[in-house]
Amino acid sequence: GENVEQHPSTLSVQEGDSAVIKCTYSDSASNYFPWYKQELGKRPQLIIDIRSNVGEKKDQRIAVTLNKTAKHFSLHITETQPEDSAVYFCAASRRSGYALNFGKGTSLLVTP
Amino acid sequence: DAGVIQSPRHEVTEMGQEVTLRCKPISGHDYLFWYRQTMMRGLELLIYFNNNVPIDDSGMPEDRFSAKMPNASFSTLKIQPSEPRDSAVYFCASSRGIEAFFGQGTRLTVV
Repeated sequence: GENVEQHPSTLSVQEGDSAVIKCTYSDSASNYFPWYKQELGKRPQLIIDIRSNVGEKKDQRIAVTLNKTAKHFSLHITETQPEDSAVYFCAASRRSGYALNFGKGTSLLVTP
Repeated sequence: DAGVIQSPRHEVTEMGQEVTLRCKPISGHDYLFWYRQTMMRGLELLIYFNNNVPIDDSGMPEDRFSAKMPNASFSTLKIQPSEPRDSAVYFCASSRGIEAFFGQGTRLTVV
């Protein structure tokens, strides 16, 4: 089955700096890569996703890049704010709506 | 729509007792997923259904765990007998082919 590795497990940045979280996956048939944000005590919520026919996608301060050849994808958050502090999960699946295989998560702390 | 609804939100039970977690997916969604979240193992997929039919239950840890989806608007995850290592947050999620929406989760503590 699909194995998703996520790094780093913790990340601390100062407000205004950029944060990058990286994931690798094992199943070359995977073609849907969402990112979820989970605030303390809350449910995971989708923040951005990318499909295999796209190399990069941006939504305001967040962007995701995908390298299918290397089987890795990354989340980039620019101009970080304290409210970005949360656990971020990457995931991969063979198609949207299919079962998601999650990475272990990255705990991001943005300090003022 | 109220989103994915799970009950109870919190459950404390004694080892050996039966525990039943409940989930109501978003109306119109044809996929339903059960995940377990722990600090050590992150978000693990336990089982998922498509149109009420179990598709993959390879993530169910052992025979003590069972899940059902009798209709499109209801699913249960049962643990019998429960053990302290089952303590975790259990999430239900539903999808209709694009974004998976998570419920608020059930925090299970087995003492």
